[in-house]
Amino acid sequence: KAGVTQTPRYLIKTRGQQVTLSCSPISGHRSVSWYQQTPGQGLQFLFEYFSETQRNKGNFPGRFSGRQFSNSRSEMNVSTLELGDSALYLCASSSPSDTQYFGPGTRLTVL
Amino acid sequence: SQELEQSPQSLIVQEGKNLTINCTSSKTLYGLYWYKQKYGEGLIFLMMLQKGGEEKSHEKITAKLDEKKQQSSLHITASQPSHAGIYLCGAALGGGADGLTFGKGTHLIIQP
Repeated sequence: KAGVTQTPRYLIKTRGQQVTLSCSPISGHRSVSWYQQTPGQGLQFLFEYFSETQRNKGNFPGRFSGRQFSNSRSEMNVSTLELGDSALYLCASSSPSDTQYFGPGTRLTVL
Repeated sequence: SQELEQSPQSLIVQEGKNLTINCTSSKTLYGLYWYKQKYGEGLIFLMMLQKGGEEKSHEKITAKLDEKKQQSSLHITASQPSHAGIYLCGAALGGGADGLTFGKGTHLIIQP
């Protein structure tokens, strides 16, 4: 089976812009979670989608949003980018046993 | 304070030596995951431990879960350069409602 894929792998944006990241889960996995990883805060949970519905949400401002499509692919959007949004954004899809398998990540740099 | 504390934060080990990484939780552990990450890349799933006293091994890596101590350990035997990277423990401390909570990671360097 193919693993979790994320696009793009690298992004450079400027403050105030918005960005959309994409994640395709492992075939058959219906749950997708998003995490932000920074050197200072480590890995932090953003949100989880299951069957096109947001099931859980972490402690992030409303500028961070996401959605999931009927084929389980997910996107996350960050509006009005701030310098502090520079991070590695990781997507994970969950197996039926709840093990999360991660994608390679999208490295976002905000200038 | 950190809900999942990993120790040590970094570790330099000579190739061929054994090593242990610890992960201690401030809350009851109902299950724990170990991942490995190469710098700037995604997380590679290593093992999931679900029951107290459970021990799993894969190649030269062994992980144990001590529920009473709210602790897990990851042991690498006869370390190799391929073991270098960041090891992260993660757990669903909020029952899954907050996703997985991760430790800060242990940076492992293998010296030839």
